[in-house]
Amino acid sequence: ETGVTQTPRHLVMGMTNKKSLKCEQHLGHNAMYWYKQSAKKPLELMFVYSLEERVENNSVPSRFSPECPNSSHLFLHLHTLQPEDSALYLCASSQDVDGNSGNTIYFGEGSWLTVV
Amino acid sequence: GQNIDQPTEMTATEGAIVQINCTYQTSGFNGLFWYQQHAGEAPTFLSYNVLDGLEEKGRFSSFLSRSKGYSYLLLKELQMKDSASYLCAVRDEDYKLSFGAGTTVTVRA
Repeated sequence: ETGVTQTPRHLVMGMTNKKSLKCEQHLGHNAMYWYKQSAKKPLELMFVYSLEERVENNSVPSRFSPECPNSSHLFLHLHTLQPEDSALYLCASSQDVDGNSGNTIYFGEGSWLTVV
Repeated sequence: GQNIDQPTEMTATEGAIVQINCTYQTSGFNGLFWYQQHAGEAPTFLSYNVLDGLEEKGRFSSFLSRSKGYSYLLLKELQMKDSASYLCAVRDEDYKLSFGAGTTVTVRA
């Protein structure tokens, strides 16, 4: 248990569906992240939120839409995805976005997404 | 972009020692992290280095040389449960964390 909870753990969706991934952190952190993990590839940073404001958007296609209603919750809304978007989507949090005290990032278990 | 290299796979015997190397080229440096990830699970934090030298935590140690852009993670007295992927990650001058592709370590009996 890392203090970061993601739901659902597994999701299969068609290319025309609309679905959402949910993340909740119980660590009192100010920063939250979405990462994409594909087989044999490095973790790719998608979005960063600091105190509910988006501070990073790494050229992610608009079919991925993040939402951060408060510092404990983060969503990733999915719409008209492609099969190549199938991957493990990891949510993470840290105390802040800067480097104070090492600022370790803690990950959730991930949501396995399959687009058919 | 940032470049972080680590071997894809390593195999070792239970009780042995394995050293996982990581080399990096980043714009600035604000710390290096090692994470362990078991199949189907979240990456979990193992170690953090920001100054040169060796950090020891039980059976795991991590070394950093900033001038060489090099780190290693040393796993001693290997156990079967150490079979996992080990991720090297570097924080750059903008405090952005970039990851290597991970090293899959298989421990054999």
